[in-house]
Amino acid sequence: AQTVTQSQPEMSVQEAETVTLSCTYDTSENNYYLFWYKQPPSRQMILVIRQEAYKQQNATENRFSVNFQKAAKSFSLKISDSQLGDTAMYFCALDNYGQNFVFGPGTRLSVLP
Amino acid sequence: GAVVSQHPSRVICKSGTSVKIECRSLDFQATTMFWYRQFPKQSLMLMATSNEGSKATYEQGVEKDKFLINHASLTLSTLTVTSAHPEDSSFYICSATVHGEREKLFFGSGTQLSVL
Repeated sequence: AQTVTQSQPEMSVQEAETVTLSCTYDTSENNYYLFWYKQPPSRQMILVIRQEAYKQQNATENRFSVNFQKAAKSFSLKISDSQLGDTAMYFCALDNYGQNFVFGPGTRLSVLP
Repeated sequence: GAVVSQHPSRVICKSGTSVKIECRSLDFQATTMFWYRQFPKQSLMLMATSNEGSKATYEQGVEKDKFLINHASLTLSTLTVTSAHPEDSSFYICSATVHGEREKLFFGSGTQLSVL
């Protein structure tokens, strides 16, 4: 069975600082996708970044980057230069090709002015 | 990016009535759509997966007679909550993808259902 764990229910960071959100997962598959989704107060799910497991290079999208450690089954998200608009719930998710998405429990991030 | 339209965004109904929620892919053909339920301050829980033209696959514990899913076209899936009760009150979200492109998953804006 696939599982996704986010061990930090809540985090806060000062504006302009850097924060890292943790995610670990478990799967028996070798090929899969990993995602970070953001859910702001509007509750619209927004894709932040995705990583293909067969790619060793860590994905980067502007201020967002991941540290993908396949052997350790770890997939952390780093947000640089945090902005007030980054305040949201962040969900880590795993998709085994052909199976369904599994979402982690989420981390509530608050960016403080 | 691709757009998935979900409506209504909010619905209030009386206990015992049925409610239909629509999920439309506006600029792509969605071969697969997913329906999730989200309780306050919790994660998304997958309810069912629907492929166009075939019966939906429900997750364990989800009553298929209670939550009717129809995916009759490549751009529309509907979730009908039948004989709704207060415990069905929740936030429901759909998402859509194209076969062979599972890395591209697009979400609707969600529907808040309140059953009185």
